[in-house]
Amino acid sequence: DTGVSQNPRHKITKRGQNVTFRCDPISEHNRLYWYRQTLGQGPEFLTYFQNEAQLEKSRLLSDRFSAERPKGSFSTLEIQRTEQGDSAMYLCASSEGLPEAFFGQGTRLTVV
Amino acid sequence: AQSVAQPEDQVNVAEGNPLTVKCTYSVSGNPYLFWYVQYPNRGLQFLLKYITGDNLVKGSYGFEAEFNKSQTSFHLKKPSALVSDSALYFCAVMPSGTYKYIFGTGTRLKVLA
Repeated sequence: DTGVSQNPRHKITKRGQNVTFRCDPISEHNRLYWYRQTLGQGPEFLTYFQNEAQLEKSRLLSDRFSAERPKGSFSTLEIQRTEQGDSAMYLCASSEGLPEAFFGQGTRLTVV
Repeated sequence: AQSVAQPEDQVNVAEGNPLTVKCTYSVSGNPYLFWYVQYPNRGLQFLLKYITGDNLVKGSYGFEAEFNKSQTSFHLKKPSALVSDSALYFCAVMPSGTYKYIFGTGTRLKVLA
C-alpha cells in the first residue's frame, strides 16, 4: 500500500499522560500536514512541513503540542499532559507538486 | 476571518436523481477550491479541484463542481446519484500563498434506493 499510513489507529489515554502519533507519508512527498477533526466539524489545520522544515503552525497548536519530521520522511505529533479537550481524530496528509493532499485514515485519540 | 460554509448538514436524494451539495467561501484573493469525500473508517479522499480556467470542473466517480466567482461558491454536482455515493462531503479552500486547507463543516449525503 502506497498511501499515507498513521499509527496507532486508536489511542486511549488518561488525562495528564503524554501521547505520540506517527505518520508515514506517501513516498517522496515533500509536504506533510497535520489536521485535527472533532465530531461534527471539518478538519482544522495544525501544522505543515516541507521536507524537514516546519513552515507553519496554527494557533490551535498550544505549547503542549509538538511535531517533528527529522529526516523529511515520517513525522511524529506529540501531545504532552493530555486534556479531555484533546480528544479528536488526528489526520496526516502529504502532497508533492500538485496542491491536493492525500490523507491517512487518522489516529483517534480518547482522553479519559 | 477566512471561512468555508456548507449550509446543509444533510442532503437526501433519490437514486438516479441529480444531486447538489452547496459550498460558499469567504477568502480573499484567488484561492484554490477542493471537494473531498469521507467514507466511514476511511480517510478523506480527493474528488476534484478548481485552480483556474473553465468554471465547470470534472472529478472522480462522475462528480463535477461549478465555480462561481461573483457568488464565491463551488457547488458539487452529479447528474445521477448512486446509493454508493452516500458519504460525508467536505468543501475546502486553499488561500493564495499557502498550502493549508480551510474546511467546511461537511454535508452528509444520503442517496435513497
